[in-house]
Amino acid sequence: EVQLVQSGAEVKKPGESLKISCKGSGYSFTSYWIGWVRQMPGKGLEWMGIIYPGDSDTRYSPSFQGQVTISADKSISTAYLQWSSLKASDTAMYYCARRGFSLRLTAFDIWGQGTMVTVSS
Amino acid sequence: DIQMTQSPSSLSASVGDRVTITCQASQDISNYLNWYQQKPGKAPKLLIYDASNLETGVPSRFSGSGSGTDFTFTISSLQPEDIATYYCQQYDNLPGFTFGPGTKVDIK
Repeated sequence: EVQLVQSGAEVKKPGESLKISCKGSGYSFTSYWIGWVRQMPGKGLEWMGIIYPGDSDTRYSPSFQGQVTISADKSISTAYLQWSSLKASDTAMYYCARRGFSLRLTAFDIWGQGTMVTVSS
Repeated sequence: DIQMTQSPSSLSASVGDRVTITCQASQDISNYLNWYQQKPGKAPKLLIYDASNLETGVPSRFSGSGSGTDFTFTISSLQPEDIATYYCQQYDNLPGFTFGPGTKVDIK
């Protein structure tokens, strides 16, 4: 079964660092882009950035450039999203999603279950 | 940057009704438009890709059409399990992926 499994919920204080993960299985992890999507409480979906695990080519949405770092370790089929200094406004659900291949190249066809990040003093 | 608008922002309809949601792009995006369903507390799910292609396993009551700047998503006969928020999403080389604001669908 093709799936993306994300790490568990996190509760952090402002100023702390954090790295959440997304592990792919059931497909060739290095052959598909993995994107990250933010959903703030009660709000819509926002694309943050995307990485190609095969060569770690990474692109960021201008809204998130410099705010987060996206990386991947292809040896363990895992992508990461990290913050160096969290803010309360980073409180949100974060989804990883696989970019489709061939005909589905413009879409995200497989999604992780989401990781809830809460930042509060 | 390309902006996406969706209408309506919410709707209530009866079981069996035909439901239509529109999505408009601020500039021509060809057919690079996808539709997702997000049920409460769940991850989004791809329903339609490239404007009109039904994703594998998705019921045929869901459909999409359009090209250029104007797109339509239709549920031909609303079912109770279709209660969700629906998002359109466009792809452009720069900056990448943009989601519409969403349409919340409820049962009347």
